[in-house]
Amino acid sequence: GAGVSQTPSNKVTEKGKYVELRCDPISGHTALYWYRQSLGQGPEFLIYFQGTGAADDSGLPNDRFFAVRPEGSVSTLKIQRTERGDSAVYLCASSLTASGSVSTDTQYFGPGTRLTVL
Amino acid sequence: AQTVTQSQPEMSVQEAETVTLSCTYDTSENNYYLFWYKQPPSRQMILVIRQEAYKQQNATENRFSVNFQKAAKSFSLKISDSQLGDTAMYFCALRNTGNQFYFGTGTSLTVIP
Repeated sequence: GAGVSQTPSNKVTEKGKYVELRCDPISGHTALYWYRQSLGQGPEFLIYFQGTGAADDSGLPNDRFFAVRPEGSVSTLKIQRTERGDSAVYLCASSLTASGSVSTDTQYFGPGTRLTVL
Repeated sequence: AQTVTQSQPEMSVQEAETVTLSCTYDTSENNYYLFWYKQPPSRQMILVIRQEAYKQQNATENRFSVNFQKAAKSFSLKISDSQLGDTAMYFCALRNTGNQFYFGTGTSLTVIP
């Protein structure tokens, strides 16, 4: 079946603009995660959803960042008043569950969206 | 707090040889999971291997195996019979009971023909 997909693959925007990044998880996966990966670093956790609700948003850096998953499938990461420091690759991952079983909690990643803020 | 450390920013290995990538971590939890992910230039993170902390037996997946030393909080990845397609960034990750993942900074592996 199809894997996790993310659109757009690249996004260039100007400082101060608003951007939306989309993630389509693997069909049937209940948990969805957003990460930010800066150059030369590992992914950094932002937020994860269990179904429609944000189960943990402790990684969101500030209130300019917001994410939704209204129907428990597709998710959108929204960044307001973008800053140059927001430039990074934003990765999305999904897992079948988030229940404590390593086999079903294993995350599968999308190809990411490279965001560049000029 | 959880931390994951990969002390080898870059490594190289001759094709068909064996290479070991190091990872150490710190956590106060007893139940956690450890993972190695591979990230080729296409950017897509691919699961290589995973290990439950409560299992003493080291996980093995074809040419990939781990050396899990729980007391030392070490989780190294061994790649046997290295292939050109193994060239990628490799990330070690820890998942805690709160379902948060913590990644290391990665090791760039180059397989030399």
